[in-house]
Amino acid sequence: QKEVEQNSGPLSVPEGAIASLNCTYSDRGSQSFFWYRQYSGKSPELIMSIYSNGDKEDGRFTAQLNKASQYVSLLIRDSQPSDSATYLCAVTGGGNKLTFGTGTQLKVEL
Amino acid sequence: SAVISQKPSRDICQRGTSLTIQCQVDSQVTMMFWYRQQPGQSLTLIATANQGSEATYESGFVIDKFPISRPNLTFSTLTVSNMSPEDSSIYLCSAGGTYNEQFFGPGTRLTVL
Repeated sequence: QKEVEQNSGPLSVPEGAIASLNCTYSDRGSQSFFWYRQYSGKSPELIMSIYSNGDKEDGRFTAQLNKASQYVSLLIRDSQPSDSATYLCAVTGGGNKLTFGTGTQLKVEL
Repeated sequence: SAVISQKPSRDICQRGTSLTIQCQVDSQVTMMFWYRQQPGQSLTLIATANQGSEATYESGFVIDKFPISRPNLTFSTLTVSNMSPEDSSIYLCSAGGTYNEQFFGPGTRLTVL
């Protein structure tokens, strides 16, 4: 069974700090990796995608992928209270179906 | 990215009845999906809605309970049949993008009494 593992948190960071969110996956054939942000009572919103080993940066967000270690992470620089949400890691293999992790709750404190 | 709308946004239903949820995408998409999200939990894929053919259901979900229609490349419906309180959940539809990503609708919050 394909699995995606995340620490459920909550992860608390002070405003302005770097938040580091981690995800591991079990299927070595996984090809596409995504991070979604979900505010309470809202639907998931795609914030980052990554497809090859290394780092991908978009504004304050950096996604990191290491296929050998089956590990993907999300760094949020200069964390803001508005970043407080649940972050879902999602992985897909050769098809289009996403397997989601359970999510990490992030709290950015003033 | 695709813009997705869902109707209804929420509903309260009686046990034994059925509810049909509509999902509309603002552009043609090949892949559409239906998920369920229980409170405080992650997303569980119910089925892939295939245009012109039967939906593909995940383990634990059956067509009699969750019939799905996909009449064209912009629209799909999910029916929750013969509802029980255990069906209370948020139901989400999504549209597949060009690079395997998915974009989600706002969800339908269902409460079954």
